[in-house]
This record gives sequence, C-alpha cells and structure tokens, in this order.
Amino acid sequence: GQSLEQPSEVTAVEGAIVQINCTYQTSGFYGLSWYQQHDGGAPTFLSYNALDGLEETGRFSSFLSRSDSYGYLLLQELQMKDSASYFCAAPTGGGNKLTFGTGTQLKVEL
Amino acid sequence: DAGITQSPRHKVTETGTPVTLRCHQTENHRYMYWYRQDPGHGLRLIHYSYGVKDTDKGEVSDGYSVSRSKTEDFLLTLESATSSQTSVYFCAISEGLGGTDTQYFGPGTRLTVL
Repeated sequence: GQSLEQPSEVTAVEGAIVQINCTYQTSGFYGLSWYQQHDGGAPTFLSYNALDGLEETGRFSSFLSRSDSYGYLLLQELQMKDSASYFCAAPTGGGNKLTFGTGTQLKVEL
Repeated sequence: DAGITQSPRHKVTETGTPVTLRCHQTENHRYMYWYRQDPGHGLRLIHYSYGVKDTDKGEVSDGYSVSRSKTEDFLLTLESATSSQTSVYFCAISEGLGGTDTQYFGPGTRLTVL
C-alpha cells in the first residue's frame, strides 16, 4: 500500500518562501505529483517528479529524493492567491491511480 | 480547462435513499475516477474505470457502485445512502499514460445525507 504524510497547516508572510514537505511509504514508486486546491474548488495539477532533483515551474519548484522517500513543494515570492491546500500524490496500480496525502493548508498573511 | 462536468452540484438526501452522481467528460480520456474528500483525509479513491464497462475498486468502495456505459459518462451510485457518506465527491479523468499522467478534476458534488 501507499501512505503519504504532510504537515496539516503552514503559515507564511506575503513575499516569503515556504516549503511543504511530503514523506511517503510505498510498495512501488513511480514518482511524486503535487496538486493545488483553493477553498470550494477542484484540485489542479502543479508538478510531477519522476526523477530525483528539483523541477522548477515559475514561482513553484518541486523536489524529490527517492533514497529518502521524501519530496517537497517550494513556493517563492508568496502571494495572497497562493493560500490554498496542497496535496502530494503518488501514482500506484501501474501508474494510473493516485494515492493522495492528507494535504497541507497554506495560509499567506500580509 | 478539461471538459468535465458533474451533476448535481449539490444534493441533500435522507438516510436509506438511493443517490446517483454523474460525471461527464468531453475529452475522450480513457480513465475516469471517483474520489471523496473529507476533512483530515484528503482525497480518497472510491472506484475508477479504465474503459467502457471496465471498472475497479479503490480504497473506500464499500457502499458504492459505478457504471460506465459510454466513454464520456461515469456514474456513481449510493444504493442506500448513510450519514457517513456525507462528503464532497470529485470526478477526475486522465489519459492513462501511467506515472507521468495528469488527472483533471471536475467541480465536485457536495452531498449531505440527513
């Protein structure tokens, strides 16, 4: 089976940098995805790491270390609109199913 | 945005009544999924489909059934709703490309079982 653990809540100041961690235990591992969900909205895809290292997409970066069973999402130059829940997720079942972490609620303050 | 709609968007029902939620896609994606989302649990997979009439269980399938008679439609049925099934239900689709695949989510259905 799979389990992914994240902190439940993170608070940061506008303009700052914040890191959201995800540790996982899996019986088979393909990579790590990140999704964003605003209150009342649907989850939307942010990034996917298949290999170790850092993937950068604008203000957001995602990192994976397979040897440590660990990944993180890095958000830079935080904006109020980044206040949302962030989920890590791991493909399973041949890669066509996702197991999600419990999510981290990010609050960005002035 | 991926063309995914869910109906109804909100529903209030009573314990013991049957409920069917519908997911409709216009993307011709092979895979479709039903999740429920509850505080503290994130998104949990109920059932998924990998083609017309091809479905399989997820981690929280008890009390739910699904059907997919057309590529574009995936139905979730609660045969006899219980209060524990009060939740937000999301449908998702993907092309079925394996690990690198992205799932696209519908807007969700908020179900309350009294």
